Amino acid sequence: DSGVTQTPKHLITATGQRVTLRCSPRSGDLSVYWYQQSLDQGLQFLIQYYNGEERAKGNILERFSAQQFPDLHSELNLSSLELGDSALYFCASSVYSDTGVGYTFGSGTRLTVV
Amino acid sequence: DAKTTQPTSMDCAEGRAANLPCNHSTISGNEYVYWYRQIHSQGPQYIIHGLKNNETNEMASLIITEDRKSSTLILPHATLRDTAVYYCIVRVATNAGGTSYGKLTFGQGTILTVHP
Repeated sequence: DSGVTQTPKHLITATGQRVTLRCSPRSGDLSVYWYQQSLDQGLQFLIQYYNGEERAKGNILERFSAQQFPDLHSELNLSSLELGDSALYFCASSVYSDTGVGYTFGSGTRLTVV
Repeated sequence: DAKTTQPTSMDCAEGRAANLPCNHSTISGNEYVYWYRQIHSQGPQYIIHGLKNNETNEMASLIITEDRKSSTLILPHATLRDTAVYYCIVRVATNAGGTSYGKLTFGQGTILTVHP
């Protein structure tokens, strides 16, 4: 157990639907990162939050949004889902906002869009 | 952030040292080398990082050449559980005020297979 909790572990949904992925960071970590991993794209950075504020953005689609709440948990919302959104979605957390050190990843949410 | 080049795949016998190379010939003076690994379908795991001195921890050793243009991650006694994709990442240590903050960019990595 890495200390980063992601729910649900598996999600199957239909095209056009909306889903919410949840991440609870490791105790004491203020930064949360979201990554998407599909077979053909590898690990793609989506977005980072630090203490409730957005800090860095990757190639996150407009159909995707995220937020970090006062208790530091984060949610990634995916809407108007397409088959190509099927992927593993990882959340990571770290103490700092601006270094590459000590990311702790969760075990991921496997999203299947049918 | 500097670009890295890693071999696509490598094999290693169990109990032997696994030496994973990474080329980062365009690295800047303020950029660190980070290593992460990902065991099949699990979240990536931090291994080690360094600037210019060799580093060692309970998981691995990191050897960085004097010109810093390449590095080698060494797993001293590889086990079957070390079979994973190993990612070499180069980025500035801190990026406060920049636009990438804590972002880590993962490449394709090296698939290390440890054989019995």
